[in-house]
Amino acid sequence: QKEVEQNSGPLSVPEGAIASLNCTYSDRGSQSFFWYRQYSGKSPELIMSIYSNGDKEDGRFTAQLNKASQYVSLLIRDSQPSDSATYLCAVNPSLNAGNNRKLIWGLGTSLAVNP
Amino acid sequence: DGGITQSPKYLFRKEGQNVTLSCEQNLNHDAMYWYRQDPGQGLRLIYYSQIVNDFQKGDIAEGYSVSREKKESFPLTVTSAQKNPTAFYLCASSITGGGGELFFGEGSRLTVL
Repeated sequence: QKEVEQNSGPLSVPEGAIASLNCTYSDRGSQSFFWYRQYSGKSPELIMSIYSNGDKEDGRFTAQLNKASQYVSLLIRDSQPSDSATYLCAVNPSLNAGNNRKLIWGLGTSLAVNP
Repeated sequence: DGGITQSPKYLFRKEGQNVTLSCEQNLNHDAMYWYRQDPGQGLRLIYYSQIVNDFQKGDIAEGYSVSREKKESFPLTVTSAQKNPTAFYLCASSITGGGGELFFGEGSRLTVL
């Protein structure tokens, strides 16, 4: 059973700090990785995708991928109260896993940014 | 504006009744998906379609049915066979069937009384 694991939180950080969200996955052959943000009662919204090892930056967000260690992280710099949400990690499994490339979702980490 | 429209946003039904949730997209995406979200259980795939007139069962297809007669539309019927239908239902689409970068509708919250 392929899995994606996230700490459920809540992760609480003060406004202006760096929030660090982590995700580990079990399928070593996974190809692509995504972070979605979901505000309470709303639908998920894609904020970052990453496909190769290393860092990818987009504004205040940085995704980090380490395939050898099978983890992907999301850093949020200068955290704002508006960043308070649940962050979902999603992984596209390997081509040879015998499945149909359906995304595997983590349960999400709840982030609270305190003013 | 391009996007995905789900309707209705809130729906109440009596036990034993079938319910159809609408999902329409004008993004010209090939692939469409239906997910169910319950507290503490994350997103679970019900059905997905990579092309018109073709769809595949996801992880929890029992008690649900779909159709994909048009590229833009992917309605979901929650039948009376679904044992626990109360949930938040999310429709999504992606450019191709690779499944990674999904665009979600606003969701439909179904409550069965």
